[in-house]
Amino acid sequence: NAGVMQNPRHLVRRRGQEARLRCSPMKGHSHVYWYRQLPEEGLKFMVYLQKENIIDESGMPKERFSAEFPKEGPSILRIQQVVRGDSAAYFCASSPPGGQYSGANVLTFGAGSRLTVL
Amino acid sequence: GDSVTQMEGPVTLSEEAFLTINCTYTATGYPSLFWYVQYPGEGLQLLLKATKADDKGSNKGFEATYRKETTSFHLEKGSVQVSDSAVYFCALSDDSGGYQKVTFGTGTKLQVIP
Repeated sequence: NAGVMQNPRHLVRRRGQEARLRCSPMKGHSHVYWYRQLPEEGLKFMVYLQKENIIDESGMPKERFSAEFPKEGPSILRIQQVVRGDSAAYFCASSPPGGQYSGANVLTFGAGSRLTVL
Repeated sequence: GDSVTQMEGPVTLSEEAFLTINCTYTATGYPSLFWYVQYPGEGLQLLLKATKADDKGSNKGFEATYRKETTSFHLEKGSVQVSDSAVYFCALSDDSGGYQKVTFGTGTKLQVIP
């Protein structure tokens, strides 16, 4: 039973290019969360998605960042026109449906995608 | 909003020493509390959790007790090993909105030397 799969593990982009990070949740999980970890800092919540719906994007920068979780396929975090300040590790986590009622109130994290902007 | 404060690192200990990493939180509701561990180059792994006041979470010799009166969830281990070297994150989860919104502390790096 594969865990949360993220790819690519490492991505290098030049300023102005686009970065696309993919996340496949654990089997049976329909809730996906994206977090960003800046160097020497903790993880900051970015966005929470269910299939075809963005539920909470309060942590997403207003410009250049977008996320989707289509009916089929992985969740995608897209960063347009990257800048050096976007260099970070981006972690995806998933959880099963049901939220607080399922009792499974634990997020399972992927290994992360490390973006370096030159 | 919710927040988590944990002690600054790095913490350097000799093997078999006693470990305490302090963590306090602020939250409007009744959060669940977690400790996650991150080994170099890897993602976060859940170490232990507690879902209500006075619960004690434990795993791999680590333990932490949910103290509502002091809003704390300090991580302890009686005898650390070199393999415990990692970054430890205290976190809380507020599921009042029907989903798990997790707030993390900034992490404490632990180095255990032989």
